[in-house]
Amino acid sequence: GESVGLHLPTLSVQEGDNSIINCAYSNSASDYFIWYKQESGKGPQFIIDIRSNMDKRQGQRVTVLLNKTVKHLSLQIAATQPGDSAVYFCAYPSGSRLTFGEGTQLTVNP
Amino acid sequence: KAGVTQTPRYLIKTRGQQVTLSCSPISGHRSVSWYQQTPGQGLQFLFEYFSETQRNKGNFPGRFSGRQFSNSRSEMNVSTLELGDSALYLCASSLVGSPQNIQYFGAGTRLSVL
Repeated sequence: GESVGLHLPTLSVQEGDNSIINCAYSNSASDYFIWYKQESGKGPQFIIDIRSNMDKRQGQRVTVLLNKTVKHLSLQIAATQPGDSAVYFCAYPSGSRLTFGEGTQLTVNP
Repeated sequence: KAGVTQTPRYLIKTRGQQVTLSCSPISGHRSVSWYQQTPGQGLQFLFEYFSETQRNKGNFPGRFSGRQFSNSRSEMNVSTLELGDSALYLCASSLVGSPQNIQYFGAGTRLSVL
């Protein structure tokens, strides 16, 4: 079946370090991927997206890398801050339906 | 521009009751999707509405239903509540619901079934 899975359920980093959150997917037909951030008590918030014709896309302090050969997606956060502490989800759409990975809890230690 | 608004934020019900949750999308957005979030199952798609029509449906029992009004506001209803229905219910809106339209989420309604 189709799945979007995350390698690590938790990640703990020091403030100022770079963070890398990984995501594996099995649906090779997926042509669009999204990263969401969910803080405690809030809904998922869009961070960045990438289309399958790209290998890399950069935003403000975030970079998403896509390796279609091994069906792997990663989110890199530069100079991680306490406000980055949250659960991060990768997701892909099938029509209007989003399929989410299980999420990675990122904890930033001061 | 106001974001997606969900009401109520918290709800406590008992088994067998029914519940109605409300979602107001971002102004101009015509597609509204609903998701259930639980610790065990993660985020799962319930259904999507566009122009007052259910266009896509997830794998949930018929006790879960929804509707959309002409102003794009949406409601979802759960009848004959079960303990396992305790979850965070999230609503998301997008422009027209195409795959590459970003879905923006509300803060959710936390439903507890006792």
